Amino acid sequence: EAGVAQSPRYKIIEKRQSVAFWCNPISGHATLYWYQQILGQGPKLLIQFQNNGVVDDSQLPKDRFSAERLKGVDSTLKIQPAKLEDSAVYLCASSLSDGLQEQYFGPGTRLTVT
Amino acid sequence: AQSVTQLGSHVSVSEGALVLLRCNYSSSVPPYLFWYVQYPNQGLQLLLKYTTGATLVKGINGFEAEFKKSETSFHLTKPSAHMSDAAEYFCAVRNNNDMRFGAGTRLTVKP
Repeated sequence: EAGVAQSPRYKIIEKRQSVAFWCNPISGHATLYWYQQILGQGPKLLIQFQNNGVVDDSQLPKDRFSAERLKGVDSTLKIQPAKLEDSAVYLCASSLSDGLQEQYFGPGTRLTVT
Repeated sequence: AQSVTQLGSHVSVSEGALVLLRCNYSSSVPPYLFWYVQYPNQGLQLLLKYTTGATLVKGINGFEAEFKKSETSFHLTKPSAHMSDAAEYFCAVRNNNDMRFGAGTRLTVKP
């Protein structure tokens, strides 16, 4: 079974530029999560989708971050414009459904904003 | 709001020695607790989880953790460390949709 795929693995941009990350969850997984992991900290949930609907985006900085999950499969996370403090690893995870189902994590995208 | 505190950002043990990684939580409702491991340049992998029932939970790679409600703790242990255990370990608490991770503990295993 293929795992959660993310691309790109690394991205370097200048502040005020825009960037997009892509995630392909495990086939059949209804729930998809985006986390931000700043160096030296644990992952922080940005947004959770159930199929193509948003369940929780309370910690998403909506003035600059946006995410979508069209057709309830792949998802993209966008930052526009980027700030220095957005430098982090962005992790995508998926699970069969909500609740206590195990979350399977992708390898992450490491973003550096200069 | 719930939160997790991991005591010790770095832990170093010798190969074959006991591994003890500490985690304390706060939660207004009975918690669901997790331990994840992260190897360099990889995503997180679930080691074990506590939901209900037996308070001693066994996970993969010989790890186990014990839920102690009176101490609000969920410490991770392994009797004998292997070199391959070197990684970052995260404790997490979940309440409905809200999953909170600790800051992580980096485990180093010396030969």
